[in-house]
Amino acid sequence: GDSVTQMEGPVTLSEEAFLTINCTYTATGYPSLFWYVQYPGEGLQLLLKATKADDKGSNKGFEATYRKETTSFHLEKGSVQVSDSAVYFCALSDLANDYKLSFGAGTTVTVRA
Amino acid sequence: DVKVTQSSRYLVKRTGEKVFLECVQDMDHENMFWYRQDPGLGLRLIYFSYDVKMKEKGDIPEGYSVSREKKERFSLILESASTNQTSMYLCASSFLGRERGEQFFGPGTRLTVL
Repeated sequence: GDSVTQMEGPVTLSEEAFLTINCTYTATGYPSLFWYVQYPGEGLQLLLKATKADDKGSNKGFEATYRKETTSFHLEKGSVQVSDSAVYFCALSDLANDYKLSFGAGTTVTVRA
Repeated sequence: DVKVTQSSRYLVKRTGEKVFLECVQDMDHENMFWYRQDPGLGLRLIYFSYDVKMKEKGDIPEGYSVSREKKERFSLILESASTNQTSMYLCASSFLGRERGEQFFGPGTRLTVL
């Protein structure tokens, strides 16, 4: 079945540091891949997505590239801000699972001023 | 903007009580979902619905039921609350088909069962 593995946190960074959160997946078909973000006290919101191999999703300075050969979708940001402190979830959606979302465990990121 | 609202942000109930969690969306989405979120486990799907009066079990349906009488409203019911149902509950909605993966979430209800 589908599964998503993302790096464990928590991750603590200083402002303007480079952020990478690793995400790998297992899927039977050709999934769409997502990063969701959950700011403190809020629900999840879609950060970015990619629907086919080599697509790059980007939003708010974050980027992730769909790598089919390594089954990965790592999230990166070149210069983080305090406001990026949140929990980040990698997820996939696959026809084999009726397009329902399968989530990783989440990575807590704290950015210090 | 899509809006998904949940009836309570915080709820405290006693063991054995019947608990209702309500969710309303305003974007005419066909799909609605209930998840629970626990530290280290990510989000786990309890139930979902792709149409009025239709429901499908997710990964962890035991101890829960749902109701969808109107397209915009999806209710989660804990028939007899237990302490292991203490969790954050998140409702979400989306369109059908391949767009199902792009879900819009409510703010969550933190339920404590004593």
